[in-house]
Amino acid sequence: DVKVTQSSRYLVKRTGEKVFLECVQDMDHENMFWYRQDPGLGLRLIYFSYDVKMKEKGDIPEGYSVSREKKERFSLILESASTNQTSMYLCASRYRANTGELFFGEGSRLTVL
Amino acid sequence: AQKVTQAQTEISVVEKEDVTLDCVYETRDTTYYLFWYKQPPSGELVFLIRRNSFDEQNEISGRYSWNFQKSTSSFNFTITASQVVDSAVYFCALSEPVNSGNTPLVFGKGTRLSVIA
Repeated sequence: DVKVTQSSRYLVKRTGEKVFLECVQDMDHENMFWYRQDPGLGLRLIYFSYDVKMKEKGDIPEGYSVSREKKERFSLILESASTNQTSMYLCASRYRANTGELFFGEGSRLTVL
Repeated sequence: AQKVTQAQTEISVVEKEDVTLDCVYETRDTTYYLFWYKQPPSGELVFLIRRNSFDEQNEISGRYSWNFQKSTSSFNFTITASQVVDSAVYFCALSEPVNSGNTPLVFGKGTRLSVIA
């Protein structure tokens, strides 16, 4: 069965802390994505990766970085968390073919105090 | 540029009513794909349907149906005889394939559907 796993469902961090959000997929998908979901704003793309060690900026990359050292894992990094990064973060993956649907993880709800 | 508009922010219906969720898209390409996802309270987005731009046939799956009209750039989703379990946020999304095949999906802002018993 298809599975995208996000390491933490809920996190609470303090302003200025470094935050790692991990995402692992077991489908051998080449494409992986990080979205941010906020009320009234829908899903906004932060970064995506179409292959190992490859990354592309999405619509709102400021304040974030990513790492894709292995095909199955895509990490989102907040170098210095700020309160405006309090949000729900969704990871997704897809087979390389652009016509394919995304498979999503359960989401990580981050609160920055 | 791609754009997806879901004008209905929230809809509330009584159980067994039919409900239609609207989706209007913008694209300059003739080849594209449209998607609908459901996000129940648990949070995980669940894929419902994919439709390519060359297939305008309406789709029916149980109580769900989709009406794709290129002339109005719309891809609307209807739930017949709604149930409480249909309560969720529903997202429409658009993808434009390019040579690399690596373009992400663009999502609408979602419509929150509440079905009241």
